[in-house]
Amino acid sequence: AQSVTQLDSHVSVSEGTPVLLRCNYSSSYSPSLFWYVQHPNKGLQLLLKYTSAATLVKGINGFEAEFKKSETSFHLTKPSAHMSDAAEYFCVVSENNNNDMRFGAGTRLTVKP
Amino acid sequence: KAGVTQTPRYLIKTRGQQVTLSCSPISGHRSVSWYQQTPGQGLQFLFEYFSETQRNKGNFPGRFSGRQFSNSRSEMNVSTLELGDSALYLCASSLQGVDSPLHFGNGTRLTVT
Repeated sequence: AQSVTQLDSHVSVSEGTPVLLRCNYSSSYSPSLFWYVQHPNKGLQLLLKYTSAATLVKGINGFEAEFKKSETSFHLTKPSAHMSDAAEYFCVVSENNNNDMRFGAGTRLTVKP
Repeated sequence: KAGVTQTPRYLIKTRGQQVTLSCSPISGHRSVSWYQQTPGQGLQFLFEYFSETQRNKGNFPGRFSGRQFSNSRSEMNVSTLELGDSALYLCASSLQGVDSPLHFGNGTRLTVT
């Protein structure tokens, strides 16, 4: 079965500096990988999705993630943090041969002015 | 296009009661999945329905059940409520299933006293 580990429960950056949220996954098959963002008292919103078409995936709001099979990683990055990026971020893995998915524990991103 | 709608937004129940939560998916989406979010356990997959059939179920007791109607609207029922069932319950819809991008509602916050 697939699994996902988000390596940091909390990341704090200053506005205008780069963001790095780390995610490692485990999967027996070709996985689909996602990053979702959750603002307080809201549902999750899809940032980006990897499905083997390209290893570097660009998402919304300036975020992107790189799939590295050799490292089983799918880290999320953004060159310059904005105050509105403060939220909880979830890395998600799904295997294409079943209808199950696993969420990471989440990383809370704080952006300081 | 209207988003995923969950009702009610907040709910307070007492132990032993049962509760039914409702989810209206995005028009055209045939897959509806349900998730429980708690501070201790994080986000956990409950089950997924596609064209009125349950395709997969997470590791939850039989007190948690669901169904999907012919118009793709879905309901989730929890019987014999326990204090530990207090959580944010999220519903998501998608075109094909949990390995395609999910569109989440804002959730129903259930408090069991």
